[in-house]
Amino acid sequence: DAGVTQSPTHLIKTRGQQVTLRCSPISGHKSVSWYQQVLGQGPQFIFQYYEKEERGRGNFPDRFSARQFPNYSSELNVNALLLGDSALYLCASSLIRDRGPYTFGSGTRLTVV
Amino acid sequence: GENVEQHPSTLSVQEGDSAVIKCTYSDSASNYFPWYKQELGKRPQLIIDIRSNVGEKKDQRIAVTLNKTAKHFSLHITETQPEDSAVYFCAASPYNNNDMRFGAGTRLTVKP
Repeated sequence: DAGVTQSPTHLIKTRGQQVTLRCSPISGHKSVSWYQQVLGQGPQFIFQYYEKEERGRGNFPDRFSARQFPNYSSELNVNALLLGDSALYLCASSLIRDRGPYTFGSGTRLTVV
Repeated sequence: GENVEQHPSTLSVQEGDSAVIKCTYSDSASNYFPWYKQELGKRPQLIIDIRSNVGEKKDQRIAVTLNKTAKHFSLHITETQPEDSAVYFCAASPYNNNDMRFGAGTRLTVKP
């Protein structure tokens, strides 16, 4: 059984551009969360989606948005990229909304130049 | 919101010794406390977790203790091995809220 899969693995974008990151949760998992991990720091919570609805949002600007599809996969969109958006973006899935354990994907390394 | 503090930031031990990493949290509503191990360039991997209705949990060489009154929890690794070298993160998550907050991480080095 496949784990959490994320695409692409690496991405280089220019300041001001827009980016879309994708995540497929473990089969049967209905909850998907997105995290940003800046080098040398712990992951920071961005969004949580459950049953296609946003259930939680971290302290990130409106340039960050996400959605979840009927098959429970998810996309994270970031508009008007800044240099500070350079980070590893991690997706985590869990079986049900309120309880772990949460399994992380390998992440998308975004570099903004 | 929840604030998780983790200490120490770096820890170096000799192979075979024990390692202890401590975390404190601020939100008394938190009830789920996982620990993740992250090797360089890899994804965080869950190594052990504990819920608030339990004070201690053990899995082979790894154990976690939780003190809800004091709002702190600790990771204990016994008989450390070089392959235990990695960054370890604690996290806390309140019930009905998936806003899981992570500590800043502890870089553990096990010297052979």
